[in-house]
Amino acid sequence: QQQVKQSPQSLIVQKGGISIINCAYENTAFDYFPWYQQFPGKGPALLIAIRPDVSEKKEGRFTISFNKSAKQFSLHIMDSQPGDSATYFCAASQGVTNAGKSTFGDGTTLTVKP
Amino acid sequence: DAGVIQSPRHEVTEMGQEVTLRCKPISGHNSLFWYRQTMMRGLELLIYFNNNVPIDDSGMPEDRFSAKMPNASFSTLKIQPSEPRDSAVYFCASSLRGTEQYFGPGTRLTVT
Repeated sequence: QQQVKQSPQSLIVQKGGISIINCAYENTAFDYFPWYQQFPGKGPALLIAIRPDVSEKKEGRFTISFNKSAKQFSLHIMDSQPGDSATYFCAASQGVTNAGKSTFGDGTTLTVKP
Repeated sequence: DAGVIQSPRHEVTEMGQEVTLRCKPISGHNSLFWYRQTMMRGLELLIYFNNNVPIDDSGMPEDRFSAKMPNASFSTLKIQPSEPRDSAVYFCASSLRGTEQYFGPGTRLTVT
């Protein structure tokens, strides 16, 4: 019940295209859904996050779409750039209830070709 | 703020030796997490603390691993004795109010 399943494992997109990464969860107690971006040699860094009371959140070229009934959420990167090439992790947590413990997906390696 | 600080950044040691990894969380954060990242197993949560108290250590692989948080500004992860399969990047992260986690730069451990 604590798993977060992420797909695809890897993704290659042309510059200017749309990158889409999907995640699914089982535990309905999760109430916070962040996405992290990790560049080689660095630690993951928060990219964007959403709570289940909204269906979409947009920050610049990055959008999270959230489907509570399907227990799925996805990251959309519009106008993908070579600088977006990184590994992306979705996560889910119960927030304050669990002291912020997050369950992470397995990660998606995104390559944006120039 | 300087962010989460980890030391050392790189550690190379021989099998059987004791290894101590250190972490200084962001000031004011009340949760601290230790992760291990490998190509094979991805990002694994080893243990986490809330208000300096260990909450869940079920991810600690075996008794060779131990972690402490003696105060709000310092934590250690110790491996004794170390084995080649412990080679990985170890991350420390901290959090406030149970929301986003802020990760440190990691310690790359190589056990030969």
